[in-house]
Amino acid sequence: SQTIHQWPATLVQPVGSPLSLECTVEGTSNPNLYWYRQAAGRGLQLLFYSVGIGQISSEVPQNLSASRPQDRQFILSSKKLLLSDSGFYLCAWSDSSNQPQHFGDGTRLSIL
Amino acid sequence: SQQGEEDPQALSIQEGENATMNCSYKTSINNLQWYRQNSGRGLVHLILIRSNEREKHSGRLRVTLDTSKKSSSLLITASRAADTASYFCATDAGNQFYFGTGTSLTVIP
Repeated sequence: SQTIHQWPATLVQPVGSPLSLECTVEGTSNPNLYWYRQAAGRGLQLLFYSVGIGQISSEVPQNLSASRPQDRQFILSSKKLLLSDSGFYLCAWSDSSNQPQHFGDGTRLSIL
Repeated sequence: SQQGEEDPQALSIQEGENATMNCSYKTSINNLQWYRQNSGRGLVHLILIRSNEREKHSGRLRVTLDTSKKSSSLLITASRAADTASYFCATDAGNQFYFGTGTSLTVIP
């Protein structure tokens, strides 16, 4: 069966520090991969999605970036975090664009 | 924007009652999905309804889709305390889905 792993579960970082969040999927190949951010009590904001290795589409201009170095690995990064980067970050995968998405348990990021 | 909007934002009912949540969207879709999110967790897919379908059932869930009104509803029958969660609709646009802001459902035992 397919599983998705996302870590760390919580992270506290100072303003200006770098960020690296990792997401891996097992049990499937060539999935679509997604990074979302959810502010407290709000909906999901799509940040990046990828349909294949090295193929990244950005939805929102910001100081975050994403990379897909392997088929089932999706990384969210930042060189210098801002206070506004705080939130709940969710990774998801799907077999294709019109199929259900399967989410990880999220990373709660707090910027101090 | 394509993003769906759920209504109401919050809903509180007694256990055993039915809960109805609505979703409206703005442009044509291929399908619409409903998800559930327990506090502090990832989203869990509940049901997918395609644009050529009008109604779909899954256990205690019933989803309707009216493409002429660009709206969908999620009905949870005989609610349980364990149904307490936030519920989101998601509409497709190319390679990605757009999620609404959700309905927070509280089921009181």
